[in-house]
Amino acid sequence: DAGVIQSPRHEVTEMGQEVTLRCKPISGHNSLFWYRQTMMRGLELLIYFNNNVPIDDSGMPEDRFSAKMPNASFSTLKIQPSEPRDSAVYFCASSFSAPGELFFGEGSRLTVL
Amino acid sequence: GENVEQHPSTLSVQEGDSAVIKCTYSDSASNYFPWYKQELGKRPQLIIDIRSNVGEKKDQRIAVTLNKTAKHFSLHITETQPEDSAVYFCAASYPNTGNQFYFGTGTSLTVIP
Repeated sequence: DAGVIQSPRHEVTEMGQEVTLRCKPISGHNSLFWYRQTMMRGLELLIYFNNNVPIDDSGMPEDRFSAKMPNASFSTLKIQPSEPRDSAVYFCASSFSAPGELFFGEGSRLTVL
Repeated sequence: GENVEQHPSTLSVQEGDSAVIKCTYSDSASNYFPWYKQELGKRPQLIIDIRSNVGEKKDQRIAVTLNKTAKHFSLHITETQPEDSAVYFCAASYPNTGNQFYFGTGTSLTVIP
């Protein structure tokens, strides 16, 4: 298996633009997590899906953020409109069962100018 | 989200010495405690984990201890090597809110040759 695949790896955009980050979890994994990493706040859990259903989205900063998981092999995290404070590395991770080992993607580095 | 505190935030040791990183968690129902290592520019990767029915677990130079009564757990690295230099994150799962993971704020470990 290729592991968790995220795209894009890098995104530079201007304030106000819509950003969509994508994630393909490892096949057979039923839990998917989106984390945001910054120097100031470390690894913050944004949202957690189990069997494609959002279980906990309490970490989503505000209404500008939304996440979907339409099927077991794909998830998106959308920011609309983006702001400079959204600049961070966004990691997607999946696991076979919860709680269990999280396998992280390589991350999407977002810069909002 | 739930609270996981991690100390120290930075740690420098001489090569060959031991390093200890400590974490506390807030929910007594937590039952899974992994440690992740993140090298510069890379994704976090699991190095060791422990479940609540075990007090200690070792894997070569790495060990984790768990004190459920006090709600804290620690990572011990013996005979440190320069390649151990990285950021280490502890995490705790919260079964009462869906088994998602909350991470500590990270410890930047530097092993001085």
